[in-house]
Formats: sequence, structure tokens, C-alpha cells
Amino acid sequence: SQQGEEDPQALSIQEGENATMNCSYKTSINNLQWYRQNSGRGLVHLILIRSNEREKHSGRLRVTLDTSKKSSSLLITASRAADTASYFCATAWGNTPLVFGKGTRLSVIA
Amino acid sequence: EPEVTQTPSHQVTQMGQEVILRCVPISNHLYFYWYRQILGQKVEFLVSFYNNEISEKSEIFDDQFSVERPDGSNFTLKIRSTKLEDSAMYFCASSELKGGYGYTFGSGTRLTVV
Repeated sequence: SQQGEEDPQALSIQEGENATMNCSYKTSINNLQWYRQNSGRGLVHLILIRSNEREKHSGRLRVTLDTSKKSSSLLITASRAADTASYFCATAWGNTPLVFGKGTRLSVIA
Repeated sequence: EPEVTQTPSHQVTQMGQEVILRCVPISNHLYFYWYRQILGQKVEFLVSFYNNEISEKSEIFDDQFSVERPDGSNFTLKIRSTKLEDSAMYFCASSELKGGYGYTFGSGTRLTVV
């Protein structure tokens, strides 16, 4: 299985702090993506990093990818209460559909 | 921005009943998917659909499930005889490309089987 596994499962931080979530996967990938899900809601695409990229930024988000370690990290800087959500990594390989990890539940306390 | 639309947002059904979950993918997308998420758990792939046929399906997608594109806009998931364990959030997604690029997810249908 190529599924990603995030850690930690849950993370609680104070507003203004940085949040780092990690994802590990098992097989080769075309790309790795991060999604956000507010409680009971839909999946919102945050950022995609291709297998030949090492780092990508989007606003307060920074994603790194280390294909040698089969791992990725998502950093949210200067977190806000509104960042409270679950964050999932998803991997893509060949023409197969996206495979999601179990997610990290982030709580940002105001 | 184009959206994937799912209806209904919430459906409650009796065990053993048939349900049809509906999705309207983005109009120029060619690849369609159904995923499900049991409460508090990960998002699991069910089935992908391209060129009017299933291109891939998971072990979860057994004989009680079927998908259809009945017209040029809708993409449906039918569960023939629902079980309690089918209670989950079901997400439809579409993409213009294959290879895991450009997925857009709908906001989901919460199915509750009682």
C-alpha cells in the first residue's frame, strides 16, 4: 500500500505558534498533496508537491518532501484559531487514484 | 471557481434500503471518483470512473455498490442494501487529469443508516 501515515495523530498549540505535521508513505509517488478538513465538512486542497520538488510555499504553508525518506512535512506558521481542522496527506502514483493517510487533528487555542 | 456539487448533504436511511448519492462533477473533468470516510477515520478510496466505465475499485466497493453516469452531468453512487457499517461521509471528486492531479472534492454526503 502506498498510503500515507501522518503524525502526530493530534496536535494542540497556542495561537501564534507554528504547527508541524509529518507524513510518511511506502511506495514511489508522482506527487504528494495536503488537504484540510474542518469537522464534518469537505476536503479542501491546500498544496501539491511533485516528486522532483523538495519544498513549496503557499502563504503560511510550507511543505517539504524527502523522497529518500519517503516523508513530507506540512508547516503552518503563525497559526490561528481558524486553522483548527484535520489535515491529511494524500499520495499519487502512476494512474492510480489518490490514497489518503489517517490525518492529524490540529487544535489551535486562542 | 468551479465546484463539485453533492446532494443530498445528509441522508438517513433504514438498514436494507437502497440509497443513491448524487454528484455533479466539474463540467470539463473526465475522471470521477467516490471516496468514503467513516466518522473519525481516514478517507478511503471506493471507485474511479472514466469513459463511462469503472477504471479502478477498492475492496470496499463490493457487489452492493454501483456507479453510473446517467447523463452528461451527474455521477451517482448506489448502495443497494445498506448496512449499519455503511454510515459514513461519502465524497465525490473529479479531475481533468489522471495521475493524482487536479482533484476537486465535493462537500460530501453524510449517510446515516439506522
